[in-house]
Amino acid sequence: KQEVTQIPAALSVPEGENLVLNCSFTDSAIYNLQWFRQDPGKGLTSLLLIQSSQREQTSGRLNASLDKSSGRSTLYIAASQPGDSATYLCAVGLMDSNYQLIWGAGTKLIIKP
Amino acid sequence: DTEVTQTPKHLVMGMTNKKSLKCEQHMGHRAMYWYKQKAKKPPELMFVYSYEKLSINESVPSRFSPECPNSSLLNLHLHALQPEDSALYLCASSQATGYGARNEQFFGPGTRLTVL
Repeated sequence: KQEVTQIPAALSVPEGENLVLNCSFTDSAIYNLQWFRQDPGKGLTSLLLIQSSQREQTSGRLNASLDKSSGRSTLYIAASQPGDSATYLCAVGLMDSNYQLIWGAGTKLIIKP
Repeated sequence: DTEVTQTPKHLVMGMTNKKSLKCEQHMGHRAMYWYKQKAKKPPELMFVYSYEKLSINESVPSRFSPECPNSSLLNLHLHALQPEDSALYLCASSQATGYGARNEQFFGPGTRLTVL
């Protein structure tokens, strides 16, 4: 059974720092992995989707990497800003399921001005 | 247009009320989802419609009744809910070329539901 873990559960860093959020999964037979951002009480915003055949995806200051063999993905945020404060969730798409995602519990990120 | 809209934003209802949540997307997506999210938890999948047909029902109690009137609209009808059903209800959509979750899911802002 696929399990997805995000450590740490919370992270606080000063503005301007580069940072890495981690997502690990137990079964390497994934189809893709998606990173989302959620502001308090709001919906989820899709940040990046990495297909299993890809190693990384980039969007602006965000870079997501995928290493299936080690069961890990990282979300790199460059030059962090207070507006990046949110909860970041990763979700794994399975090979044998058309629609279901397996979710991590999220990392709550606080960027201090 | 990469937007999923949901109405209402907030809903307070008693346990004997009947209400509906609405979701709309105009991205041409043919898979639409309902999720339930409790505080500090990830979303839990409730229902998936693919090409307007119910594809997944994750053993959701019958007091929740989904409906997909057309390819752009998704409703969730609520009846005789319990206080523990209070949560953020999220709608999402994606392409559905046979493998919906293998495409990017786009979420709406959610409806904050409180059951008294």
